[in-house]
Amino acid sequence: EDQVTQSPEALRLQEGESSSLNCSYTVSGLRGLFWYRQDPGKGPEFLFTLYSAGEEKEKERLKATLTKKESFLHITAPKPEDSATYLCAFSGGSNYKLTFGKGTLLTVNP
Amino acid sequence: EAGVTQSPTHLIKTRGQQATLRCSPISGHTSVYWYQQALGLGLQFLLWYDEGEERNRGNFPPRFSGRQFPNYSSELNVNALELEDSALYLCASSLGQYTPTNEKLFFGSGTQLSVL
Repeated sequence: EDQVTQSPEALRLQEGESSSLNCSYTVSGLRGLFWYRQDPGKGPEFLFTLYSAGEEKEKERLKATLTKKESFLHITAPKPEDSATYLCAFSGGSNYKLTFGKGTLLTVNP
Repeated sequence: EAGVTQSPTHLIKTRGQQATLRCSPISGHTSVYWYQQALGLGLQFLLWYDEGEERNRGNFPPRFSGRQFPNYSSELNVNALELEDSALYLCASSLGQYTPTNEKLFFGSGTQLSVL
């Protein structure tokens, strides 16, 4: 069965303390791996799409990487404004929809 | 450019009532997706509409239904509301042309449905 698991469920960092979020997926025929950011009471905001193993994308303090089984969202020297829930999702197989993980709640303390 | 808009922002209903949620996609987008985000469960896929047709449906009972209008806006209807239907309902749109680069979803801010 196609599925995606994110870890950890919650992560608390001090400002400037770099870390990584993990997204493990199982899907036949991955087409895309997506990362979103969601602030409380708002809809998810698109960050990255990765299409093939080895691909990397960067945006400010965030870098997403992809292997054949998992994706990582690396956050370098985070700031309090990076606090949010980070969601990963995949598209694949015959279903043209995104399947989401439960997310990682990131809190960055000043 | 206007993003995905949803209305109402909040909706309070009682058990057994019906709820109607509305969504306007980004201009030029033909696909509309509905997701339910209940506390602790993450985003659960509900429905996908493209070019006015229902293309895919998630594992939800038939009392969850919807439609897409000729202008690509969409409506989600939930009949016979139950307490566990309380959740944030998110609408998203995409270009809907069945290519990987067009599968990126753009989300609205959601409708918070509370069933009392």
